[in-house]
Amino acid sequence: EVQLVESGGGLVQPGGSLRLSCAASGFTFSAYWMTWVRQAPGKGLEWVANIKQDGSEKNYVDSVKGRFTISRDNAKNSLYLQMNSLRAEDTAVYYCARDTVMALYGYYYYYMDVWGKGTTVTVSS
Amino acid sequence: DIQMTQSPSSLSASVGDRVTLTCRASQSIGSYLNWYQQKPGKAPKLLIYAASSLQSGVPSRFSGSGSGTDFTLTISSLQPEDFATYYCQQSYSILRGTFGPGTKVDIK
Repeated sequence: EVQLVESGGGLVQPGGSLRLSCAASGFTFSAYWMTWVRQAPGKGLEWVANIKQDGSEKNYVDSVKGRFTISRDNAKNSLYLQMNSLRAEDTAVYYCARDTVMALYGYYYYYMDVWGKGTTVTVSS
Repeated sequence: DIQMTQSPSSLSASVGDRVTLTCRASQSIGSYLNWYQQKPGKAPKLLIYAASSLQSGVPSRFSGSGSGTDFTLTISSLQPEDFATYYCQQSYSILRGTFGPGTKVDIK
């Protein structure tokens, strides 16, 4: 079964750090871009960061640049999100997702077709 | 950066209704548009990719159309399990997978 399982969420004080993990199974993890998406309480989805198959390219939403670091360990089939200098506005459910690419009509289309159930991060004093 | 908008922000409909949701991009994104369904407390689920391709396992009552800046998601006959929030997402750039703010579909 294709599966993603996040862990590492919890309550942290403003300015603190947290490391999220995402364990992948049932597919060739090293063949896919991977993405973190978050959702603040009662709000919509926000794309946070993604990482290329070999870790050579990483991209971030502006609001987390310089504070969050995405990484992966293909030998362990795991994705990570190191979150530093946390703020109240980082409070959210954090999902990891698999980025699949489909070649159609000579173009390459990306979409997130496998999602974990999410892990909750609460930043509060 | 590409901005996504969705309309309406919410709608009330009855079982069996035909429902059309709209998504607009701030610049042309070709067919690089995906649709997701999310139910309360659950992870999003992919419905449509590349604007009009139905994800495997998704009922055929869901369809997507559009290109450039304007896109629609249509549910041909609303079922009880379809009451949820729907998000569009641009994948024009792998660098920025921006989501729209969502459309909540609830029971009339």
